[in-house]
Amino acid sequence: KQEVTQIPAALSVPEGENLVLNCSFTDSAIYNLQWFRQDPGKGLTSLLLIQSSQREQTSGRLNASLDKSSGRSTLYIAASQPGDSATYLCAVSRGNSGYSTLTFGKGTMLLVSP
Amino acid sequence: GAGVSQSPRYKVAKRGQDVALRCDPISGHVSLFWYQQALGQGPEFLTYFQNEAQLDKSGLPSDRFFAERPEGSVSTLKIQRTQQEDSAVYLCASSLSRLAGTDTQYFGPGTRLTVL
Repeated sequence: KQEVTQIPAALSVPEGENLVLNCSFTDSAIYNLQWFRQDPGKGLTSLLLIQSSQREQTSGRLNASLDKSSGRSTLYIAASQPGDSATYLCAVSRGNSGYSTLTFGKGTMLLVSP
Repeated sequence: GAGVSQSPRYKVAKRGQDVALRCDPISGHVSLFWYQQALGQGPEFLTYFQNEAQLDKSGLPSDRFFAERPEGSVSTLKIQRTQQEDSAVYLCASSLSRLAGTDTQYFGPGTRLTVL
């Protein structure tokens, strides 16, 4: 059974710092890995999707890397802002007869203070 | 609408009551997923529809949980005889195609169910 672990569980940083969130998974047979953001009382917003054949994806101040063989991914946030405060979830996708389901970690709760 | 919508946003039920949670996916999306998110946890897969066909219900925790998508668009998740352990946020997601592993899933805001 696939297990996804995220470290740290919570992180508090002052505005402007660069930070790294970590995700590990036990089964490397994945289609892709996604990083989501979840704000309180709201659904999940997809930030970055990395296909299993890719090593990294970038979007603005966000950069996600994937090392499938070691079962690890990192999300790098540059020059953090208070608006980045949210819970960040990592999820891996595995296929079943033509469709795929997501297995999530428990998330990292990020607080960026002004 | 532009995104996935869910209703109601909040539901309080007394233990033993039946509840029905609705999901309106993005128009034209073939795949629809339901997830359950307990407090402090990540979402956990419940069930998957491809158009009107329920292809995977392996994540449904008991036979009190039932989901349908009769016309391949709107979906309803029904929980019979609710228990306190059913308290969670129920998330619906849709994706455009049925191709494995290629699409982003778009999530709705969720329904927060509290069972007293």
